[in-house]
Amino acid sequence: NAGVTQTPKFRILKIGQSMTLQCTQDMNHNYMYWYRQDPGMGLKLIYYSVGAGITDKGEVPNGYNVSRSTTEDFPLRLELAAPSQTSVYFCASSRQGLQPQHFGDGTRLSIL
Amino acid sequence: KQEVTQIPAALSVPEGENLVLNCSFTDSAIYNLQWFRQDPGKGLTSLLLIQSSQREQTSGRLNASLDKSSGRSTLYIAASQPGDSATYLCAVFGPMEYGNKLVFGAGTILRVKS
Repeated sequence: NAGVTQTPKFRILKIGQSMTLQCTQDMNHNYMYWYRQDPGMGLKLIYYSVGAGITDKGEVPNGYNVSRSTTEDFPLRLELAAPSQTSVYFCASSRQGLQPQHFGDGTRLSIL
Repeated sequence: KQEVTQIPAALSVPEGENLVLNCSFTDSAIYNLQWFRQDPGKGLTSLLLIQSSQREQTSGRLNASLDKSSGRSTLYIAASQPGDSATYLCAVFGPMEYGNKLVFGAGTILRVKS
């Protein structure tokens, strides 16, 4: 089973560039999440979605955008990359909000 | 604001030891608490989920307890093995007034020496 798949695994961007981090899940989960993890810190929620067409801000949404046109896909977009967005980004999904979340392997993003 | 703290930040033990990882949270009105394992360069794997009405959950050599009133959880690992080396993260869900989300601690880095 693929579970939650994130692409790319690694990326280096220049300041001001834009990119989209891809996330797809094959478990027919309703809920999907984007987190960032900075060194020595816990995960912080960027955006989440409770179903296709519905998204909401998390704790640290500034500088990011998301969309959820299908149940399977939840891409995260950085419009104007800044050094402060250097981090490891994780996508996760769950069947419902209170159920265990399943994580992808992450995208390691460096902005120089 | 819900805050989660994990102690210790890092732990190194010889193989075979029993060990305890601690997690505390500031607002006791949670729906559940999860323990995750994170291997280097990998995502998180859910180990145990304890509902707010439960006191503990067990899976193999792992036992997690929850004392909601005091805002504490412990993860007990019996007979530790080198393969247990990883970062262990605690996360709580709720209360709902803080949003529909998990709040994570910074993790405990565990090294089991052979």
